[in-house]
Amino acid sequence: DTGVSQNPRHKITKRGQNVTFRCDPISEHNRLYWYRQTLGQGPEFLTYFQNEAQLEKSRLLSDRFSAERPKGSFSTLEIQRTEQGDSAMYLCASSPPRGQGGYGYTFGSGTRLTVV
Amino acid sequence: GEDVEQSLFLSVREGDSSVINCTYTDSSSTYLYWYKQEPGAGLQLLTYIFSNMDMKQDQRLTVLLNKKDKHLSLRIADTQTGDSAIYFCANTNAGKSTFGDGTTLTVKP
Repeated sequence: DTGVSQNPRHKITKRGQNVTFRCDPISEHNRLYWYRQTLGQGPEFLTYFQNEAQLEKSRLLSDRFSAERPKGSFSTLEIQRTEQGDSAMYLCASSPPRGQGGYGYTFGSGTRLTVV
Repeated sequence: GEDVEQSLFLSVREGDSSVINCTYTDSSSTYLYWYKQEPGAGLQLLTYIFSNMDMKQDQRLTVLLNKKDKHLSLRIADTQTGDSAIYFCANTNAGKSTFGDGTTLTVKP
């Protein structure tokens, strides 16, 4: 297993366009998380899944954001009608069923979104 | 809401010990974690501590937890230049982690 994979690595889009990011977690991990990180800040929680069920979505998250994990494997994060404030690094992480280390995350390398 | 606070910067000399501190507000935390982020790279899980422990040692890393004061620290012994990075603490409740804004550790030769 090569870890958590995110595509694309970089995305530049014009304001108002829709974008979609993909995350492929570690295959044995049943939990998948989306976070957003801006410069000088820690990762900010967006949403997470256990298998295909979306268990929680941040109250701060606009309705323009939607995420899916249709078969409990890969996940997509879509942002509709992008705004300049959406520019950030979007991080995906996965974690195994609760074990000795709790819910320690394995992060992907992220997708950097720039809205111009 | 849940808050996790860290000091922003720490600078040490190579070979010295580094201590990075973190405070949190969510008393329901079950696990607390330390992650490392090197320039241009993703976050890497370093170590963790369960909330009913007060200390955990893992090679050069020592994690101390004061649950009463909601204070977590990471000590790195014999700090090397390769330890220069941003260190994030995170607390976890029901599987979801809340992260601090990171402490940038600079190790001077």
